[in-house]
Amino acid sequence: AQSVTQLDSHVSVSEGTPVLLRCNYSSSYSPSLFWYVQHPNKGLQLLLKYTSAATLVKGINGFEAEFKKSETSFHLTKPSAHMSDAAEYFCVVSDNNNDMRFGAGTRLTVKP
Amino acid sequence: ETGVTQSPTHLIKTRGQQVTLRCSSQSGHNTVSWYQQALGQGPQFIFQYYREEENGRGNFPPRFSGLQFPNYSSELNVNALELDDSALYLCASSPGTSAWTDTQYFGPGTRLTVL
Repeated sequence: AQSVTQLDSHVSVSEGTPVLLRCNYSSSYSPSLFWYVQHPNKGLQLLLKYTSAATLVKGINGFEAEFKKSETSFHLTKPSAHMSDAAEYFCVVSDNNNDMRFGAGTRLTVKP
Repeated sequence: ETGVTQSPTHLIKTRGQQVTLRCSSQSGHNTVSWYQQALGQGPQFIFQYYREEENGRGNFPPRFSGLQFPNYSSELNVNALELDDSALYLCASSPGTSAWTDTQYFGPGTRLTVL
């Protein structure tokens, strides 16, 4: 069975500083991995996805993530945080087992 | 906006009752998935439909059932409601044959409260 662990429930950064949201996964198959963002009172939106192509994935709004099989990680990064990045972020893993697992989420706070 | 709509926005039911939640997918999206998101937690996958057939199910009991219609609308039905069913219910549509590798487009959700 697959699982996903988001290592931080809350991350706080200052505007203009780097963002790192950590995600580890386990999967019996070659997984597909996603990061979704949920702004208050808005639907979940895809930031980026990895589906066995390039291991460094670039997404929207300057976010990127690197698939590291040896470390079973898929951490989300952004070089410079913006106030509008404040939201809940979810790491998601799916495989051929007809299931999709969301992490518990990381709340990102951006201080002015 | 994702083009995925859900109704109603909020719903209050009592334990033991039945509820139907509705979703309208993006036109052309043949796959719809449903999720339950309890307060403070990540969404949990309930099931997925492709062209009106269920083709994936998470760890939810049979009292959670669904339908998908040819007009890109779908329903989530929950029988014998329990207090723990209180949650935000999300639907998501995707253009391919399954959500496992596809981009999903989420609706805003239906907030269900069971008293």
